[in-house]
Amino acid sequence: EIVMTQSPATLSVSPGERTSLSCRASQSVSSNLAWYQQKPGQVPRLLIYGASTRATGIPARFSGGGSGTEFTLTISSLQSEDFAIYYCQQYNIWPLTFGGGTKVEIK
Amino acid sequence: QVQLQESGPGLVKPSEPLSLTCAVSGYSISSGYYWGCVRQPPGKGLEWIGSIYHSGSTYYNPSLKSRVTISVDTSKNQFSLKLSSVTAADTAVYYCARHGRFGELYWDFWGQGSLVTVSS
Repeated sequence: EIVMTQSPATLSVSPGERTSLSCRASQSVSSNLAWYQQKPGQVPRLLIYGASTRATGIPARFSGGGSGTEFTLTISSLQSEDFAIYYCQQYNIWPLTFGGGTKVEIK
Repeated sequence: QVQLQESGPGLVKPSEPLSLTCAVSGYSISSGYYWGCVRQPPGKGLEWIGSIYHSGSTYYNPSLKSRVTISVDTSKNQFSLKLSSVTAADTAVYYCARHGRFGELYWDFWGQGSLVTVSS
């Protein structure tokens, strides 16, 4: 099984700031990496797939990068609605595995 | 718009089976894609349980494989999860969701989730 490790566990950021979240895979997943956003009490929402392709309706301030074992999700200018937990997921091989999540909170 | 709706008992006794039905609307299961279940214990992260294709082929999380069965009913456009011999560790919000085929196994549509509590 591929283990996905996200860091940091919590990120304190001020509105308007740029921030980057990290996701590392225990072995290469090529570009088969997705990012999800989950707000309290809500369903996870697909943000990025293929490591860098934004899903339908996702604002351009969200961008993904990386390949192999190292990936980043960057939010260029944090809006109030972006404070949430972000999960990465590899889909290169079964079993499908998620990272433990990074919580982005208001500084 | 693809919609998924979970239904099932919110409370299950330890050692009994957990059953969840996922009704799909806005898309025919027979048209493709994989359909599966993800769970989230209270305050914790996401865990993939298993997935099924309309043909009936399945993939399960090895950590749960001995207890999980996912089946599909294309005539009702729904699929079902059964998890046997539950314990308190199985308490979680259970989501039904859709993902693509190989190379596109990311989850694009999710149900609202169903909280299942295991308690006597």
